[in-house]
Amino acid sequence: SQQGEEDPQALSIQEGENATMNCSYKTSINNLQWYRQNSGRGLVHLILIRSNEREKHSGRLRVTLDTSKKSSSLLITASRAADTASYFCATDAVSDDYKLSFGAGTTVTVRA
Amino acid sequence: DSGVTQTPKHLITATGQRVTLRCSPRSGDLSVYWYQQSLDQGLQFLIQYYNGEERAKGNILERFSAQQFPDLHSELNLSSLELGDSALYFCASSVVGRGAGEQFFGPGTRLTVL
Repeated sequence: SQQGEEDPQALSIQEGENATMNCSYKTSINNLQWYRQNSGRGLVHLILIRSNEREKHSGRLRVTLDTSKKSSSLLITASRAADTASYFCATDAVSDDYKLSFGAGTTVTVRA
Repeated sequence: DSGVTQTPKHLITATGQRVTLRCSPRSGDLSVYWYQQSLDQGLQFLIQYYNGEERAKGNILERFSAQQFPDLHSELNLSSLELGDSALYFCASSVVGRGAGEQFFGPGTRLTVL
């Protein structure tokens, strides 16, 4: 079963616009990670935020974490065509921290 | 390039057959994870090995098995294949023994069962 659920399932934006996607999860976690997957290829780690952190930045990426709501958001600013990909959140539950549970992903299309 | 290699890239086989997928982790990584990605099930964790020992099991079928060798490469064996086993199989590696850390994914093996 999947711990995280992303919203929306799909997102289409114009180049230069910001893209925001959300992830909700069910149980208490140690960390939450975001990964990117280009079509049919391996996942690439983007950012990890610990349960005691509220916000983290990496380049054009901004991640927030609200453990009280069991949710996280990923913001990509000034999007580029190369950002077209699927984005997944992944969590490791406190009760089961050997496993990463991935959500179903958000498919982002950046139009030129 | 993540540094994780997987072979083969593509595999086409028939129902009832057995196949072996191979993974070499990044240099220095002791943990290897196997995942299955399909359209209907999404990305599912199958199993983790750490320094040769099984560390965690996920939604791995009894028809599937894996092992990690002394040189740290890993193999995933899939037997009595069914049409529903058609999927992308990813291997990932990490330094840490727990699933909490950053994982580096290989390019995947696309398995098609006819």
